[in-house]
Amino acid sequence: GAVVSQHPSRVICKSGTSVKIECRSLDFQATTMFWYRQFPKKSLMLMATSNEGSKATYEQGVEKDKFLINHASLTLSTLTVTSAHPEDSSFYICSAKLNQETQYFGPGTRLLVL
Amino acid sequence: QKEVEQDPGPLSVPEGAIVSLNCTYSNSAFQYFMWYRQYSRKGPELLMYTYSSGNKEDGRFTAQVDKSSKYISLFIRDSQPSDSATYLCAMSVQGAQKLVFGQGTRLTINP
Repeated sequence: GAVVSQHPSRVICKSGTSVKIECRSLDFQATTMFWYRQFPKKSLMLMATSNEGSKATYEQGVEKDKFLINHASLTLSTLTVTSAHPEDSSFYICSAKLNQETQYFGPGTRLLVL
Repeated sequence: QKEVEQDPGPLSVPEGAIVSLNCTYSNSAFQYFMWYRQYSRKGPELLMYTYSSGNKEDGRFTAQVDKSSKYISLFIRDSQPSDSATYLCAMSVQGAQKLVFGQGTRLTINP
């Protein structure tokens, strides 16, 4: 299967700081990537759809000024959590769309805001 | 009513048993159906995908789609402890960007 990487795998930061998470498709080009958030023992919650070269589309209730998404190339999308607060602590997962049938997920980034 | 319903379990079965995981859905426009496996603290891994109705087999895994009943299944034969994970069904409409996920079923295979 196709490979998607995320960096960092885990990050701890102080409240008020910003954190950037990278998502890369390693062996295919992805014009569309997605960012999800997952709470313990819960399913995936889609935050936004990231399209290469254009603005991201955010789901209802997701603050676009807080969760900045950039998809500058066909293999890289970034999510920046700005002015992070403890309630932003979560497991963030990206996926990259290979074709209509398939999305491949990254390994996830665990964010802890102190 | 959620678009996709999946029993969260937990489901616990002995090693070697046949496991049946299921999802129902309400949107008749769904045409692409996927099953993902997610180990604890990891990203989901694509197991199977099918288009429209029918069966698809890959090793110990069989995916079935019954569009008339709006019901999809994943069967795991000769289950192993390493199959213990959360299984998520997902589906999409032709031309859609997004996947719609079920809640996920937590499965434990006991040695």
